[in-house]
Amino acid sequence: EAGVTQSPTHLIKTRGQQATLRCSPISGHTSVYWYQQALGLGLQFLLWYDEGEERNRGNFPPRFSGRQFPNYSSELNVNALELEDSALYLCADNTEAFFGQGTRLTVV
Amino acid sequence: GESVGLHLPTLSVQEGDNSIINCAYSNSASDYFIWYKQESGKGPQFIIDIRSNMDKRQGQRVTVLLNKTVKHLSLQIAATQPGDSAVYFCAENPLGPGGYNKLIFGAGTRLAVHP
Repeated sequence: EAGVTQSPTHLIKTRGQQATLRCSPISGHTSVYWYQQALGLGLQFLLWYDEGEERNRGNFPPRFSGRQFPNYSSELNVNALELEDSALYLCADNTEAFFGQGTRLTVV
Repeated sequence: GESVGLHLPTLSVQEGDNSIINCAYSNSASDYFIWYKQESGKGPQFIIDIRSNMDKRQGQRVTVLLNKTVKHLSLQIAATQPGDSAVYFCAENPLGPGGYNKLIFGAGTRLAVHP
């Protein structure tokens, strides 16, 4: 059984651009949690989606947004990228026991 | 459970020794805790969990201890191996496993295992 999968593995964007990150939970799991991990820091909660709805949101500006599709996969969108958005973005499924490998976003 | 900056505390141990990694959690209402291992360039990997109605839980070579009185969690790794070298995070969930809330992560401890 495939685990939580994320794409792309790496993403390089220019300041001001938009980034789209994708996550697919384990088959049959309905929730996706997004976390940001800046270099050398712990994980900071971003967003939680369940059954297609945003259920909870961390302390991040509105330019961080996302959605969940009928197949329970999810997108995280970051608009108007800033240099400090450079981080590893991780998603986890509804048990939060399984994380994907993350997308390394670099803003230059 | 707040991040403390770029310099993670590091625990250095000799291969074969036992390791103890400590974590202070922040919310007295938290009733579910998880330890994760994160290797460089990878996502966190679940190691072991414990509910607040327990004070000890054992897995394969790992033991988690919970002291709710002082809000302290520890992870013990027996016979530490080079493959155990990683950053270890504790996380708390105020509403239990799969609960309707976010996980709150600690800052992490780097475990360095020397041959």
